[in-house]
Amino acid sequence: TQLLEQSPQFLSIQEGENLTVYCNSSSVFSSLQWYRQEPGEGPVLLVTVVTGGEVKKLKRLTFQFGDARKDSSLHITAAQPGDTGLYLCADRSRGSNYKLTFGKGTLLTVNP
Amino acid sequence: EAGVTQFPSHSVIEKGQTVTLRCDPISGHDNLYWYRRVMGKEIKFLLHFVKESKQDESGMPNNRFLAERTGGTYSTLKVQPAELEDSGVYFCASSQTFFGELFFGEGSRLTVL
Repeated sequence: TQLLEQSPQFLSIQEGENLTVYCNSSSVFSSLQWYRQEPGEGPVLLVTVVTGGEVKKLKRLTFQFGDARKDSSLHITAAQPGDTGLYLCADRSRGSNYKLTFGKGTLLTVNP
Repeated sequence: EAGVTQFPSHSVIEKGQTVTLRCDPISGHDNLYWYRRVMGKEIKFLLHFVKESKQDESGMPNNRFLAERTGGTYSTLKVQPAELEDSGVYFCASSQTFFGELFFGEGSRLTVL
């Protein structure tokens, strides 16, 4: 059974700071996805990465996929209060019928 | 266009009672999923419908859980009888295609006392 470890579990920062959160897998990712879940809402897909070493940018968010496809990072530049939420990584594997395997998430709070 | 809607948003019941959760997927989405997050744990897959058929129900915890999808439209998830460990947030998601992006509902929080 694949295990996804996310760190840190909690992160509280001031507006304008930069931050990085991490996701590590016990096995190679098939297709790594990052989601953001805001309070009272369901997870919303941010990005999908499939190729080792891939880097994707979404405005102030930069997603990096490790060369060995077992780890990933999400970097946020100049965080804003609207970035507050639970950041989840997930694997979507053909071997598991494309169902999602999630990590526990990193709960980010950006204080104004 | 309406997103995935779930009802109720929160349900509090006593151990041994029955609860039915409902999910209305995005119109036209043949694929419907149920996931669950219990306190302190990660979100876990329960089952996947393609239209009215169960494609994969490998995540259903036990036979106290019954999922249906009438006519390939809305779905219900019944827990009978509920146990304390069933407490958590139940998420429904839908996708247009088998490999397509999943769109999640807001979740139904279940509290079993």
